[in-house]
Amino acid sequence: ILNVEQSPQSLHVQEGDSTYFTCSFPSSNFYALHWYRWETAKSPEALFVMTLNGDEKKKGRISATLNTKEGYSYLYIKGSQPEDSATYLCAPRTRNRDDKIIFGKGTRLHILP
Amino acid sequence: ETGVTQTPRHLVMGMTNKKSLKCEQHLGHNAMYWYKQSAKKPLELMFVYNFKEQTENNSVPSRFSPECPNSSHLFLHLHTLQPEDSALYLCASSPLGASVYGYTFGSGTRLTVV
Repeated sequence: ILNVEQSPQSLHVQEGDSTYFTCSFPSSNFYALHWYRWETAKSPEALFVMTLNGDEKKKGRISATLNTKEGYSYLYIKGSQPEDSATYLCAPRTRNRDDKIIFGKGTRLHILP
Repeated sequence: ETGVTQTPRHLVMGMTNKKSLKCEQHLGHNAMYWYKQSAKKPLELMFVYNFKEQTENNSVPSRFSPECPNSSHLFLHLHTLQPEDSALYLCASSPLGASVYGYTFGSGTRLTVV
């Protein structure tokens, strides 16, 4: 069973400010890492799937980096907007034969007006 | 809408009731999943189906019984549940190779067991 840590658990950010949070996972046997955004009363939505060490992906004001050797990924949000308020989940997968993804507890982001 | 539809959105049931949750997708995905989210816990994988065959049962109690009649439909049959089974139940689907493509989730069923 993967030990996935996300920090912080909760974060309050002023609108317009930039922020980031962390996903830590065991580096051995790494295969892929997913980031999801989950807004209240909606479905979790896939943001990024990352596989390569040093990978950096971007979607609008949101970007993510991946370090598979030390087992962490950062998710950055630039110029936070109210619509960024959500829980951000990371989910790593190992090179085991099964194809399931294990989720972290998430970082709950609140954007303050 | 994401393309994965779950019904009902909310369900209240007694401990002696039998009910079913339904999940449907027409995205052409071959894998479907049930996840459970309880308060203050991460999403917990319950069951995995690939091409209608169950490939994963994550030590789920037998009072939860999944059914996958075809690649587009997934059910979770519930009977004699306990109050601690109250949670959000999410269905997801993916092409085979979810680690590359990720999941598409439904909106979930909020279950309350009384």
